[in-house]
Amino acid sequence: GENVEQHPSTLSVQEGDSAVIKCTYSDSASNYFPWYKQELGKRPQLIIDIRSNVGEKKDQRIAVTLNKTAKHFSLHITETQPEDSAVYFCAASTETNAGKSTFGDGTTLTVKP
Amino acid sequence: DAGVTQSPTHLIKTRGQQVTLRCSPKSGHDTVSWYQQALGQGPQFIFQYYEEEERQRGNFPDRFSGHQFPNYSSELNVNALLLGDSALYLCASSLAGGYTFGSGTRLTVV
Repeated sequence: GENVEQHPSTLSVQEGDSAVIKCTYSDSASNYFPWYKQELGKRPQLIIDIRSNVGEKKDQRIAVTLNKTAKHFSLHITETQPEDSAVYFCAASTETNAGKSTFGDGTTLTVKP
Repeated sequence: DAGVTQSPTHLIKTRGQQVTLRCSPKSGHDTVSWYQQALGQGPQFIFQYYEEEERQRGNFPDRFSGHQFPNYSSELNVNALLLGDSALYLCASSLAGGYTFGSGTRLTVV
């Protein structure tokens, strides 16, 4: 089955700096890669996703890149703000069955004001 | 438009007991997936229901079972509870694609 590894497990940045979180996956059949943000005590919320026919996708301060050959994808947050502090999870699945996603173990991002 | 709702929000059970968790999907969503999220870890896929049938299953023992009703709502049942079953149980629903998570049920087994 699919195996997703996520690094780093914790990340601390100064407000205004950029943050990068990286994930690798093992199953070459995976073609859908969402990223979720989970604040303490709350539900995971989809913040951005990318499909395998695209190498990069951007939404305001958030961008995701995908390298299918190397089987890795990354989340980039620019101009970080304290409200970006949360746990971020990457996931991988096939697009036809995004409900059976394999998640990474999460990255706790702390943005210091 | 209500999102995904789960009940109860918190639950405490004793080892060996049985528990039923409930999920009402977002309006119009017909597919429900259940995940277990242990403290400090990412969600782990338990199973998925579509058209009242279990369509996919993760690496969970048979003690974990489920059901989907004609109105697309779903239940997760866990028998013979173990201490290790303590976790946040998340339900996610979809209609052909993007998944929306509920806030989860926090299960504590003592």
